[in-house]
Amino acid sequence: DTGVSQDPRHKITKRGQNVTFRCDPISEHNRLYWYRQTLGQGPEFLTYFQNEAQLEKSRLLSDRFSAERPKGSFSTLEIQRTEQGDSAMYLCASSAGQGAGEWEKLFFGSGTQLSVL
Amino acid sequence: LAKTTQPISMDSYEGQEVNITCSHNNIATNDYITWYQQFPSQGPRFIIQGYKTKVTNEVASLFIPADRKSSTLSLPRVSLSDTAVYYCLVGWVSGGYNKLIFGAGTRLAVHP
Repeated sequence: DTGVSQDPRHKITKRGQNVTFRCDPISEHNRLYWYRQTLGQGPEFLTYFQNEAQLEKSRLLSDRFSAERPKGSFSTLEIQRTEQGDSAMYLCASSAGQGAGEWEKLFFGSGTQLSVL
Repeated sequence: LAKTTQPISMDSYEGQEVNITCSHNNIATNDYITWYQQFPSQGPRFIIQGYKTKVTNEVASLFIPADRKSSTLSLPRVSLSDTAVYYCLVGWVSGGYNKLIFGAGTRLAVHP
């Protein structure tokens, strides 16, 4: 596998339910990012991991959102008590982060499209 | 808040050269300029990166003037499959950590 994979590709849930998404980055990449994207907008930064450490979380992210990256490999993003406003594409990206300019080369997965009814 | 400004949309025709200019007046000394392409229902894809002067790869060219306050992505002889959103980004360091902040990008429509 040479790319970032995300699972599931689509998720439909009812308001108030919890959902969890998974991201498997490129194996040698130590940086992992989560973004959220709504129609017509660019991706919005949510959170960032370097290895297993979550180094930054957007202030726009409510406490209902939590992300983990155990052992610095795959990552999960959980949304508790979903709301209709959470409907969006959730994108995961990874980068090697080594060398000048390298950390800006993000490799994105295809995303998880969440629909909250 | 994105550090770059680029046109919201552009139109072109197959076979033409397309130039998308991005301004980044507050670019820092260590910042690289990175461009991404995004098709509907897919994640953005890295297409080219540069620090100064000109960079060319199999997909595009990137022109960066000496003051680095702007850059131009050049797509030679576009085809219908180049219809996409193009994002120009520069690095953002907040609290000592690196992250890329995306703007709305430039929606390029290529017509037959």
